[in-house]
Amino acid sequence: DAGVIQSPRHEVTEMGQEVTLRCKPISGHDYLFWYRQTMMRGLELLIYFNNNVPIDDSGMPEDRFSAKMPNASFSTLKIQPSEPRDSAVYFCASSLEGSRTEAFFGQGTRLTVV
Amino acid sequence: GDSVTQMEGPVTLSEEAFLTINCTYTATGYPSLFWYVQYPGEGLQLLLKATKADDKGSNKGFEATYRKETTSFHLEKGSVQVSDSAVYFCALSSMYSSASKIIFGSGTRLSIRP
Repeated sequence: DAGVIQSPRHEVTEMGQEVTLRCKPISGHDYLFWYRQTMMRGLELLIYFNNNVPIDDSGMPEDRFSAKMPNASFSTLKIQPSEPRDSAVYFCASSLEGSRTEAFFGQGTRLTVV
Repeated sequence: GDSVTQMEGPVTLSEEAFLTINCTYTATGYPSLFWYVQYPGEGLQLLLKATKADDKGSNKGFEATYRKETTSFHLEKGSVQVSDSAVYFCALSSMYSSASKIIFGSGTRLSIRP
């Protein structure tokens, strides 16, 4: 398997624009996590899914953020409208049977909002 | 709620020095504990893990022992190398309803001088 695949690797957008980040988890994994990493706040869990169902979205910062998982092989994180403070590296991770087993991370999407 | 506290960095050592990065946790029940490593420009990858009290996780010369009595999971290595320079994250699994999520510490940046 190619691992967790995220796209794009880098995104630069203007304030107010919609941004969509994409993630393909490892085949067969039933958990998918979205994290945000910044220097100030470290690694924050935004939302996670189990069998495509959102389980906990308490980390989603505001209504501008939304995440979907329409099927087992694809998830999106959308920011609309984007703001400069959303600039961060966004990671997607997947695991089998929750966190008793290893979570595999993608390489991340570096988002810059200008 | 569940949480992880790890020593703040940056930590700078000379090659072949002994390394300890402290990690303590607060959790209900019996979490699994992990150390992840993040090399520059990459996602996190699992370094080692322990799933029950007194277990010792080890990998690449790194070790950590799950100490329930002190709620700790300190990372150690007897002789560090320049290639060990990275950010290290302590983490635990947290049960929430019937699902689970991983909670990360703030990360400790390690720099090794030749």
